[in-house]
Amino acid sequence: AQTVTQSQPEMSVQEAETVTLSCTYDTSENNYYLFWYKQPPSRQMILVIRQEAYKQQNATENRFSVNFQKAAKSFSLKISDSQLGDTAMYFCAFMKHDGDKIIFGKGTRLHILP
Amino acid sequence: DSGVTQTPKHLITATGQRVTLRCSPRSGDLSVYWYQQSLDQGLQFLIQYYNGEERAKGNILERFSAQQFPDLHSELNLSSLELGDSALYFCASSVSTGWSSYNEQFFGPGTRLTVL
Repeated sequence: AQTVTQSQPEMSVQEAETVTLSCTYDTSENNYYLFWYKQPPSRQMILVIRQEAYKQQNATENRFSVNFQKAAKSFSLKISDSQLGDTAMYFCAFMKHDGDKIIFGKGTRLHILP
Repeated sequence: DSGVTQTPKHLITATGQRVTLRCSPRSGDLSVYWYQQSLDQGLQFLIQYYNGEERAKGNILERFSAQQFPDLHSELNLSSLELGDSALYFCASSVSTGWSSYNEQFFGPGTRLTVL
């Protein structure tokens, strides 16, 4: 069975700073996807970034980038030049390559302070 | 707006009751997934339907059931409700099953269920 662990329940950073959210996972699969989802106060689940396990290059989406360490089963999210609108719950998530369900971590609540 | 709609947005009911949550997938999407977000369990997968058939099952209680209709909308039925069933229930949809290639799951806005 796959598990996803987020060890930081809550974090706060000043606006414009860089913040890194940690995530580790456990799986015996070789091909899979990893995700970071954002859940703002509106409760909507928003896909921030996706990483395919067979790709060595770390995914980036504008101010969001990941550090994917497959051997260590680590998948951290870096948010650069953080903005007030980044305030949200962030979920790390896993899905098998031929997958159906997404497995989520418990989440990290991120506060961006003005 | 993901294109996935869920009704109702909020539902308040009493223990022992039965409710039905409805989900309309994005146009063209054949797969529907149900997830439950609760304080105790976090976000967890309940069940998946593909083109009317059940494809995968997660931690779904026997008191819960779902179905997908010919027009591809899906309903999640929750019966004999308990206080612990209070949660946010998400529906997501994707084009296919994901078995052959990546299919992004698009999440609806959720239905907030409160059991009193």
